[in-house]
Amino acid sequence: EVQLVESGGGLVQPGGSLRLSCAASGFTVSDHYMDWVRQAPGKGLEWVGRSRNKANRYTTEYAASIKGRFTISRDDSKSSLHLQMHGLKTEDTAVYYCTRELAAGGDFDYWGQGTLVTVSS
Amino acid sequence: SYVLTQPPSVSVAPGKTASITCGGNNIGIKNVHWYQQKPGQAPVLVIHHDSDRPSGIPDRFSGSNSGNTATLTISRVEVGDEADYYCQVWDGSGDHIFVFGAGTKVTVL
Repeated sequence: EVQLVESGGGLVQPGGSLRLSCAASGFTVSDHYMDWVRQAPGKGLEWVGRSRNKANRYTTEYAASIKGRFTISRDDSKSSLHLQMHGLKTEDTAVYYCTRELAAGGDFDYWGQGTLVTVSS
Repeated sequence: SYVLTQPPSVSVAPGKTASITCGGNNIGIKNVHWYQQKPGQAPVLVIHHDSDRPSGIPDRFSGSNSGNTATLTISRVEVGDEADYYCQVWDGSGDHIFVFGAGTKVTVL
């Protein structure tokens, strides 16, 4: 059974940093593109960034709104994905979801339960 | 960047058909994916690549895409279908590689 479990969320002050993790199981993580998607309270979904699979050298892409502040990395030996966030702003407050792309087509077929990041002083 | 337009809400009676539209410039040439999100839960992929259903999704859910509009159709609506529905496409040329619509709240009367 495919499972994605996020952790690392919490309360952080503006300008601070936080590292989210996603533990994956039930599939070969290195075969899949993996993404982060976020959802601000009461709002819609926003794509954050993507890590391609091993065959594509784990290259990454990011949304303009977070580019230069957030970095996606992964550790396939531990079947984990990470989102390192720096320079956090109040508008980064959201539930952050770890997702798997079905076949590198941007169709997110599995989602974690999400982890809440609150940026506030 | 590419904009997807969805109606904020759709109401439907049980047993009837709900149609949720997703408008975008020449969206017919893009692959459209649809997600269902119930309160307090993560989204679930219900349609991908315009009209394909993932395993486990009832055949009451179908999709189409042509011209400037993609449509998610829910036939024989059930109370359990009440949720927010989001469309999504790959942009590739804008600020966001993947773009979501703002979502449509489906209310089952």
